[in-house]
Amino acid sequence: EAQVTQNPRYLITVTGKKLTVTCSQNMNHEYMSWYRQDPGLGLRQIYYSMNVEVTDKGDVPEGYKVSRKEKRNFPLILESPSPNQTSLYFCASSWTGVGSPLHFGNGTRLTVT
Amino acid sequence: TQLLEQSPQFLSIQEGENLTVYCNSSSVFSSLQWYRQEPGEGPVLLVTVVTGGEVKKLKRLTFQFGDARKDSSLHITAAQTGDTGLYLCAGAENTGFQKLVFGTGTRLLVSP
Repeated sequence: EAQVTQNPRYLITVTGKKLTVTCSQNMNHEYMSWYRQDPGLGLRQIYYSMNVEVTDKGDVPEGYKVSRKEKRNFPLILESPSPNQTSLYFCASSWTGVGSPLHFGNGTRLTVT
Repeated sequence: TQLLEQSPQFLSIQEGENLTVYCNSSSVFSSLQWYRQEPGEGPVLLVTVVTGGEVKKLKRLTFQFGDARKDSSLHITAAQTGDTGLYLCAGAENTGFQKLVFGTGTRLLVSP
């Protein structure tokens, strides 16, 4: 089944404790992206990647890192999480970029205390 | 970053009613997508519109892209309880960057 898999689905952590949210897609998509979703603010892009080893900042990249060492994986790293990073995070992928349909994972709900 | 404003933010209607959701921007997009998101899941693409003035129909859902490619609307005819969800429009920025700007969303509740 074609899908984008994120792990974990839920995560509660403390300020400053490094964490990684994994994202994997099995559709051989070139483009991958991370979003955060907050009430009243909609979905905001954190980082995106057009291909292996190519990543670019989105609208809200501060406090986040990503890597794209393999085509299928695009982990989101929070080196020192803070409470304002409490949010619902989505990974998405598509064939070639924003002109083609985005396939989303089921989300990771992160709480930073 | 271009902004997309959706209206209304919330809509609660009875089954069988019609409704329209609007998505507006002051900027031009190369294409516009509509997604539906259900609780506990990621958004799922409904349609992509590319040409100014384009109208696409998906069963009871009608999508329209404005002539100037700055706005869009989603019309649902005879709403059903299964239409309940969060509707998101998303515009592809008309630049060299691969960025999709999402609207703030319209939460629709259809009651029996």
